[in-house]
Amino acid sequence: LAKTTQPISMDSYEGQEVNITCSHNNIATNDYITWYQQFPSQGPRFIIQGYKTKVTNEVASLFIPADRKSSTLSLPRVSLSDTAVYYCLVGDGEAGTALIFGKGTTLSVSS
Amino acid sequence: GAGVSQSPSNKVTEKGKDVELRCDPISGHTALYWYRQSLGQGLEFLIYFQGNSAPDKSGLPSDRFSAERTGGSVSTLTIQRTQQEDSAVYLCASSQQGSAQPQHFGDGTRLSIL
Repeated sequence: LAKTTQPISMDSYEGQEVNITCSHNNIATNDYITWYQQFPSQGPRFIIQGYKTKVTNEVASLFIPADRKSSTLSLPRVSLSDTAVYYCLVGDGEAGTALIFGKGTTLSVSS
Repeated sequence: GAGVSQSPSNKVTEKGKDVELRCDPISGHTALYWYRQSLGQGLEFLIYFQGNSAPDKSGLPSDRFSAERTGGSVSTLTIQRTQQEDSAVYLCASSQQGSAQPQHFGDGTRLSIL
């Protein structure tokens, strides 16, 4: 499984756009990039997943350059409730593939 | 629809006791995972079940840990002769079979060993 590197923490203010970049230099051809969000005392929650280019849903956008060695999670106009830990994971998601969670990025949003 | 359900949500027990943690996955999800999360840390994989196949136990930290999944649905994680270092949040996740299927997590069982 490809290892990922992401910032330990980020700070932002309400209403700003937040971009969290994840490096995954050893990503394999079959690997997808998946982001999870975790609030205190809760399990991680799936946010978005992509393979290449750009993916957008109602929560976030995911930008993946052509070489796929990094990806950027973009949260538009964050609010206080977006304060959480964000995890970037890379894997092919095949049966038997457990997710490898690092320490993630702790995003703190202030008013 | 119902998500992944775990019980109990909190468990406090004395060192040396055995504990059982339960996970009810989302209906129809054939894959089930157990993870452990210590305070301020990422998730540590413990064990994986897929259908009727033999489970992947490669993440279990010692032989005091075991898990079973009955009827391809409910799973129980058992920790025997608990130690203080077993204190953590134990998370269960389930997913559909196939590539790139996201895992859906329960809110975990917070285990505290006195």
